[in-house]
Amino acid sequence: DGGITQSPKYLFRKEGQNVTLSCEQNLNHDAMYWYRQDPGQGLRLIYYSQIVNDFQKGDIAEGYSVSREKKESFPLTVTSAQKNPTAFYLCASRSTRRGYTFGSGTRLTVV
Amino acid sequence: KQEVTQIPAALSVPEGENLVLNCSFTDSAIYNLQWFRQDPGKGLTSLLLIQSSQREQTSGRLNASLDKSSGRSTLYIAASQPGDSATYLCAVNPAGGGADGLTFGKGTHLIIQP
Repeated sequence: DGGITQSPKYLFRKEGQNVTLSCEQNLNHDAMYWYRQDPGQGLRLIYYSQIVNDFQKGDIAEGYSVSREKKESFPLTVTSAQKNPTAFYLCASRSTRRGYTFGSGTRLTVV
Repeated sequence: KQEVTQIPAALSVPEGENLVLNCSFTDSAIYNLQWFRQDPGKGLTSLLLIQSSQREQTSGRLNASLDKSSGRSTLYIAASQPGDSATYLCAVNPAGGGADGLTFGKGTHLIIQP
């Protein structure tokens, strides 16, 4: 079955460290997205990519970076510039007919 | 800027009841609207997708309606079961092709009492 795979499931970051969250899809979707979820808040869009080698900032892009070198992959790097990175991170891809499909998420904690 | 509101924020009902979750949005220029379910610590599972030209969609015990002109959608759950306990999220896709990302409500936390 096609789907989205996020890894790792849990990630711990030390102060000043960059970490990269993986997102892979085998749905053949062009568009991919990263969202952040905090308790009591709705999901917020970090970055999105509508096609390989192109991406756009979402509502809360500061402190994050992405790349889209392959259609299947859209990794998210949380840099040391992100002052409050502890959150649940969700990756998604989009189909015109079926809407958005989400992965199972990565929980990032600063230690 | 599009804003999505979900009411109620939390709901607890006995098993077997029919229930309605509400979603409202401020900008009626949408491409489509999607309802999701989220279990604790898990990702989002798509329940129903309603295109802007549609009035409702059904899947099993779930029925979602869309009134674009009034900026409202409802999710109807028939004959609720304890396994329906989860957070339900409403998300709208803006007009213009729908590829620029969803805007989410904060969700309704639903508990079905056995």
